Amino acid sequence: GAGVSQSPSNKVTEKGKDVELRCDPISGHTALYWYRQSLGQGLEFLIYFQGNSAPDKSGLPSDRFSAERTGGSVSTLTIQRTQQEDSAVYLCASSSGTGVTGELFFGEGSRLTVL
Amino acid sequence: DAKTTQPTSMDCAEGRAANLPCNHSTISGNEYVYWYRQIHSQGPQYIIHGLKNNETNEMASLIITEDRKSSTLILPHATLRDTAVYYCIVRVLGTSYGKLTFGQGTILTVHP
Repeated sequence: GAGVSQSPSNKVTEKGKDVELRCDPISGHTALYWYRQSLGQGLEFLIYFQGNSAPDKSGLPSDRFSAERTGGSVSTLTIQRTQQEDSAVYLCASSSGTGVTGELFFGEGSRLTVL
Repeated sequence: DAKTTQPTSMDCAEGRAANLPCNHSTISGNEYVYWYRQIHSQGPQYIIHGLKNNETNEMASLIITEDRKSSTLILPHATLRDTAVYYCIVRVLGTSYGKLTFGQGTILTVHP
């Protein structure tokens, strides 16, 4: 597609349920990022994938959070046993692994509400 | 990545230039200055970046001081659509860019 696509755009779930958020990066982009943004807050880095390298998971807040990237393209962020504090907008971004700009292209985000 | 300091908020009249400052006094020689903005309910959008020379594109101009310890993003003719949070970030460019760390940014409000 033309841009980074995320689904679902909105997700309401009950506390304790698992959720999966999907990110479809720009075709050919080797770098993929997940961020989250709680209401009124800045962007919090979660995880970063670059090509076939081991992902940088340093931002994942707990072991309930995991992410994978299959075939170097689509990524799924999974949150197990969701808690109310997980409510946020989850943003995905992709970037070309080469070139001089290093520009990140963001999707519109997935808004997660945990009741 | 070096830490940046930005004012929490700024106002600007429509049609006037908006000058957004950023302090990055601990910037390293191989770190670039990036600017992104986030309009309400949207994902962040890249604006411009530079190393040491001033840069201009269709969206904005970036002025970096000679010692590179601060920079200013200039929106030459601000419109109401430019109301957003503006983030100044410094990072190294290379074969593996690594994560981009966002601070709190500057809330720019453009008023009629």
